[in-house]
Amino acid sequence: QAQLVESGGGLVKPGGSLRLSCAASGFSFSNYYMSWIRQTPGKGLEWLSYISTGSEYTNYADSVRGRFTISRDNAKNSLYLQMDSLRAEDTAIYYCARYLSSNSWDPPDYWGQGTLVTVSS
Amino acid sequence: QSALTQPASVSGSPGQSITISCTGTSSDVGSLDLVSWYQQHPGKAPKLMIYEVSHRPSGVSNRFSGSKSANTASLTISGLQPEDEADYICCSYAGSRILVFGGGTKLTVL
Repeated sequence: QAQLVESGGGLVKPGGSLRLSCAASGFSFSNYYMSWIRQTPGKGLEWLSYISTGSEYTNYADSVRGRFTISRDNAKNSLYLQMDSLRAEDTAIYYCARYLSSNSWDPPDYWGQGTLVTVSS
Repeated sequence: QSALTQPASVSGSPGQSITISCTGTSSDVGSLDLVSWYQQHPGKAPKLMIYEVSHRPSGVSNRFSGSKSANTASLTISGLQPEDEADYICCSYAGSRILVFGGGTKLTVL
C-alpha cells in the first residue's frame, strides 16, 4: 500500500523560508509524477506544483511561481518543496500527493496526511 | 487558474440518491474528459473516487458515478449511506500541466 508522510511544517515569520519533505513508501516512487497541494478553510484545495519522474519537467501555480521550488530524490524516495518569501496567505495544510500515472493531466490518487504551515509574525 | 464552482452543501436521506455539480469553463471541465472527484472526511486526506469523468479506482463502490455535459461535471451517489457524509471536491485538468479544484461540497446524510 502506498504511503506518503510529510514533514517540515511549522511556524515561520513573513518573508521567511521553510522546506517540506515527503517520504514515500509502498510503491515504486521513481515511476510516478508527484505534486504538492495545499488546503485552507477559506480557499479549499489549491494545486501548487508537480514534478515528473526524472525531474525533467516541473510546473507551478501562479500564486507560488518564483517563490516555491519542487524537487525530488528518487534514490531516497523523497519529494521536497522549498518555500521562500513566505506570506500570511501561504498558511495552510500542505499535502504531498502521487499522480495516478506518468501524465500531468491525471489527478493525484494517493495523498499524505499533510503538514501544517503557519506564516505569522 | 480560477476554482471550479460547486454548491456549498447538499443533503439526502439514507438510501436516496444525490448529485453534486461542478461547473468550470471550456478551458478546463469542458475541454477534455479529465475531471476527477475526491471524498474527504474531517481531518483526513482526500480520497480519489472518480477520475476521467466516470472511471472508478479499484476499491471504490459502484454507488459512486460521474458524468459530464459541456462545462459541468456531476458526481452521483446512489443508495446513500451514513459513511458517505463528507466533503466532495472536484478537480479538472486546466491545460498547461495545471490542475484546478472546486471549492468543495459538504454532503449531509440526514
